[in-house]
This record gives sequence, structure tokens and C-alpha cells, in this order.
Amino acid sequence: DARVTQTPRHKVTEMGQEVTMRCQPILGHNTVFWYRQTMMQGLELLAYFRNRAPLDDSGMPKDRFSAEMPDATLATLKIQPSEPRDSAVYFCASGLVLSGRGAGSSYNSPLHFGNGTRLTVT
Amino acid sequence: DQQVKQNSPSLSVQEGRISILNCDYTNSMFDYFLWYKKYPAEGPTFLISISSIKDKNEDGRFTVFLNKSAKHLSLHIVPSQPGDSAVYFCAASGKTSYDKVIFGPGTSLSVIP
Repeated sequence: DARVTQTPRHKVTEMGQEVTMRCQPILGHNTVFWYRQTMMQGLELLAYFRNRAPLDDSGMPKDRFSAEMPDATLATLKIQPSEPRDSAVYFCASGLVLSGRGAGSSYNSPLHFGNGTRLTVT
Repeated sequence: DQQVKQNSPSLSVQEGRISILNCDYTNSMFDYFLWYKKYPAEGPTFLISISSIKDKNEDGRFTVFLNKSAKHLSLHIVPSQPGDSAVYFCAASGKTSYDKVIFGPGTSLSVIP
């Protein structure tokens, strides 16, 4: 059963340190999303990629967050420097989105989520 | 400014009864609506979806109703089972392939045996 793999599962770090979260999307999927789960906002969209190209990263604090897809099998989310308010669970999701169809369309595969990275910044 | 709202943070229901989870949206350009279910320490998993051209979609015990004029959808679970206890997220996206999937804040459902 294909699944999205996220590493690490847990990360505790001190304020000011760099944090890198990794995601291996499902093979063949062309779209990758990064979400952050907080109590107040629920699942907040940070960035998403189509065929490795960034489509939208307007949800990310630009001064400290960066997202990349060095190749089709790896997506990364970096925070530098990290702050206590970044503490949250970060989820990666991948899907196959067909040209001309919205990402939520039933013609596409539904988004498959990884189990998340729980980040704690002290 | 939340485009997808779930105004009930939590809901408790007796086993065997109906669970109704509600969701409201503000963006009239949304064309697809989805429900995801999330257990603790796991990622959300897809449950059911509906296109804006329909007003109802059913899959076993789960039915989603869409009222476009009210910008409202609901998820009905009948009968509710203890294994349904989870956080349920409502999500929406537009019709173009560039449209992202926007999630609501979630509703935590507890089904009491």
C-alpha cells in the first residue's frame, strides 16, 4: 500500500536552530502540499508544488520558511531560524492532479497525507 | 480570513445514533468539497467528496449534503460507531488544476458506546 513518508516523526529543538522536515510523496503523484496543524487554524496550507515547481507559497512566513523539491521523490520544508510559535504538526500530502481538473476533483486521486512531523521549539 | 469554517469544535453522539457535522464556506468559486478523517498521531485520510453539480453523495454509512445557495455542507454518519471517533476536516477546492485544497479547522467527534 503506497504511502507518503515524512521524517522525522518528532523534532525538539531550541529557538534559533534550523529545522528541516522531509517528505517522500507517493511515486507517480505530481502534486505535493505542505500543511501545518495548529489548534486555532486547523490545517493551514503553507505551500504546494506541481511537477516540482512551486505554485503557491503564500501561506509561509517568507523570512524564515522555505520549501523545495530537489527531485520528484523528495520535498523539504526548512525553518531558519525556528521560533517557539512554529511548534505544530507539519503534514505533507501528495496527489495526482490531472490537467484542467481542480485538486479536489473526484477525477483526481484524493490527497494522501503522511503521518506528520511534530515540531517543538523551546 | 477562513474560507472554510467548521463552527463546532466538538460533538458527542451515542453509538447507533446519527452524527451530523457541519461546514460553511465563503468562496463561491469552490467547486469540489471533501471530508477527511483524522485519528491521533496519524495523517488525515480521505472519506468522501462531492462536486458542486450534485447535492448529495452517499458511501455506505456516510452521506454528504451540499447546499450551494447557503454555502453549506454537512456530513451524516448513520449509524455512528465508536470507531468513528476522530477529528473530521471539511475541505474545498476550485475547478482549475492550480486551485489548492483549503481545509477547515476540524470537528472532534466522540461516539459514546
